Amino acid sequence: DVKVTQSSRYLVKRTGEKVFLECVQDMDHENMFWYRQDPGLGLRLIYFSYDVKMKEKGDIPEGYSVSREKKERFSLILESASTNQTSMYLCASIRFGAGGGNQPQHFGDGTRLSIL
Amino acid sequence: AQKVTQAQTEISVVEKEDVTLDCVYETRDTTYYLFWYKQPPSGELVFLIRRNSFDEQNEISGRYSWNFQKSTSSFNFTITASQVMDSAVYFCALSELTQGGSEKLVFGKGTKLTVNP
Repeated sequence: DVKVTQSSRYLVKRTGEKVFLECVQDMDHENMFWYRQDPGLGLRLIYFSYDVKMKEKGDIPEGYSVSREKKERFSLILESASTNQTSMYLCASIRFGAGGGNQPQHFGDGTRLSIL
Repeated sequence: AQKVTQAQTEISVVEKEDVTLDCVYETRDTTYYLFWYKQPPSGELVFLIRRNSFDEQNEISGRYSWNFQKSTSSFNFTITASQVMDSAVYFCALSELTQGGSEKLVFGKGTKLTVNP
C-alpha cells in the first residue's frame, strides 16, 4: 500500500534544540511538502521540494530549513527550537500534472511537536 | 496570489441532513487543480478528490458530490444523508504555479463539520 510515513507521531523537545522531522514516501513523487497546522489558521506551507536537492520557501519558512538528498525523503529541520514552533507538522507527497491521474494525493499522519 | 476561501468555519447538522461545504478560489493560472481533503478527529488528512480546471463535470461518489463552476470560481462539496462518521474538518485546496515553475498547494482554513445523532 502506498504511503507517506512521518518518523514520529508525538515529539517533545526543549527550547534551543535542533529538531529533525523526517518524511518518507514510496510513490516516486517529485513534489513533497511540509506544513504546520494550528487551530484557526489551517495548513500553512513551510517549505516544499519539487526535485532532489531542490527546495522553495513556502509562506512561513522562518526558523526552519529542509533537506532533500533522496527523492523519497524530505526532512524538516528546526535549527533552534522555540516554543512558538509547538504545532502539528504534516508532510505531503503529490504528483501534479497529467501524470497525477487518479493517484491519490497523500499526507502523512502528522507529528505533534511540543517545544518546552 | 492564489487564495482559497472557506467561509463556513463550523457547521452543525443532524444526522441524515444534507450539507454543502463552500469553497471559493482565486487564481491567475489557466491550468490548475482543486482538491478536497477530510481530517477526522484522529488527525490524518484523507484525500477525497482532485479536479482538473478543464474538467467542469460534477462528480458523485456515493453520498459525496462536488460541484465545480469556473464562472463563479467555486468548488463546493455536498454530503447527502450525513452520518456521524462524517464529522471532521474539511479542507479545500488549490494548486499554484510558483515563479520557479513548480507547483504547490494553497489551502483554505477548513470547515469543521459536526454531525449530531
